[in-house]
Amino acid sequence: AQSVTQPDIHITVSEGASLELRCNYSYGATPYLFWYVQSPGQGLQLLLKYFSGDTLVQGIKGFEAEFKRSQSSFNLRKPSVHWSDAAEYFCAVAFGSGNTGKLIFGQGTTLQVKP
Amino acid sequence: DTAVSQTPKYLVTQMGNDKSIKCEQNLGHDTMYWYKQDSKKFLKIMFSYNNKELIINETVPNRFSPKSPDKAHLNLHINSLELGDSAVYFCASSHSHSTGTEAFFGQGTRLTVV
Repeated sequence: AQSVTQPDIHITVSEGASLELRCNYSYGATPYLFWYVQSPGQGLQLLLKYFSGDTLVQGIKGFEAEFKRSQSSFNLRKPSVHWSDAAEYFCAVAFGSGNTGKLIFGQGTTLQVKP
Repeated sequence: DTAVSQTPKYLVTQMGNDKSIKCEQNLGHDTMYWYKQDSKKFLKIMFSYNNKELIINETVPNRFSPKSPDKAHLNLHINSLELGDSAVYFCASSHSHSTGTEAFFGQGTRLTVV
């Protein structure tokens, strides 16, 4: 079955430290890959997406993600975290040719930033 | 201008009541969705409409009935509310329903059933 896994439920990093949030998917082909961020009490905002081409994609707010086909992963990174990055991060994928626009989300990773 | 707007933002109601959540998008998108986020923050799609036609119904109880009067609006009506319906409901829209299309989300409606 198609699935998305974010292994880390909760991550705490110090402000200024680097960040990596993990995302793995289970699917026979390359899916469409997204990272969304949800700030407290807010909706989801798209950080970046990968469809094809260069496997390192740049997003908003200084985030980047790297697609690794061999590992079925799409990990999100940021070189230096700011206190305002504290939020919930969701990896999402779209599979197949069904053309429904449906996104399948991972369980989310809560990022806490220490001063 | 808010791209995808939902009303109300908060809704507290008693078991057994019927309630509606409204959603409007001003992006000119053809496709709209309802997602449910449970207490563990897990997000799952409920419905999708394209140009007012239902294209996804993810085994949601028939107490939930979406209605799309036009492609800019997708409302969610819930009959006979149950405690388990408590969640945050997100409306979203996308340019089309092609696989991989980017979805734009509203701020969510936190429904609490008491």
